[in-house]
Amino acid sequence: ETGVTQTPRHLVMGMTNKKSLKCEQHLGHNAMYWYKQSAKKPLELMFVYSLEERVENNSVPSRFSPECPNSSHLFLHLHTLQPEDSALYLCASSQEPYNTDTQYFGPGTRLTVL
Amino acid sequence: AQSVAQPEDQVNVAEGNPLTVKCTYSVSGNPYLFWYVQYPNRGLQFLLKYITGDNLVKGSYGFEAEFNKSQTSFHLKKPSALVSDSALYFCAVRDRIGGANNLFFGTGTRLTVIP
Repeated sequence: ETGVTQTPRHLVMGMTNKKSLKCEQHLGHNAMYWYKQSAKKPLELMFVYSLEERVENNSVPSRFSPECPNSSHLFLHLHTLQPEDSALYLCASSQEPYNTDTQYFGPGTRLTVL
Repeated sequence: AQSVAQPEDQVNVAEGNPLTVKCTYSVSGNPYLFWYVQYPNRGLQFLLKYITGDNLVKGSYGFEAEFNKSQTSFHLKKPSALVSDSALYFCAVRDRIGGANNLFFGTGTRLTVIP
């Protein structure tokens, strides 16, 4: 599980704040993902990056802005969020994005928007 | 459209008894099916996957799953449950629509193993 790390583990922010979530993978993978996990709902894939290029963006509001400076790091920049954005945000990585490779998940960041 | 359904929000089983966590899928092409487990305050951990080949797939921690094409199911099983198996279990399906490795997850089933 230490292959994918996420910071912070918990975050409380107001609707006018700007914050960033960080993910780092130590597995030498080429693909990284952001998911949103809300209670009683399926995990929602938000973004997919392959070798620092965004390859998927599943209709995510612009108040979520991803950044992938290199294949080991992935950020999710947050601004003017809404209370319904409160959720567990999970980062994952896999060797490649275009096949059936197993995705390895980080522990998540529990976000609360007040 | 691809999707999975986990019909049970909660499954309770006595320690030592066999357990089954159900999953059915819907996908246009060949399904690639996965099971993940999530322990409290932890990320998802991969258990097993079906890509092709034998319908019975063996995974981590003694779990196995049976792919049934006619019933479009991929139920997770274990012959003898442990208290430490108590967790949230997610079924996921993937196809190649869109190109990238999009996993579509179910809503999860909470397994409680009673001592």
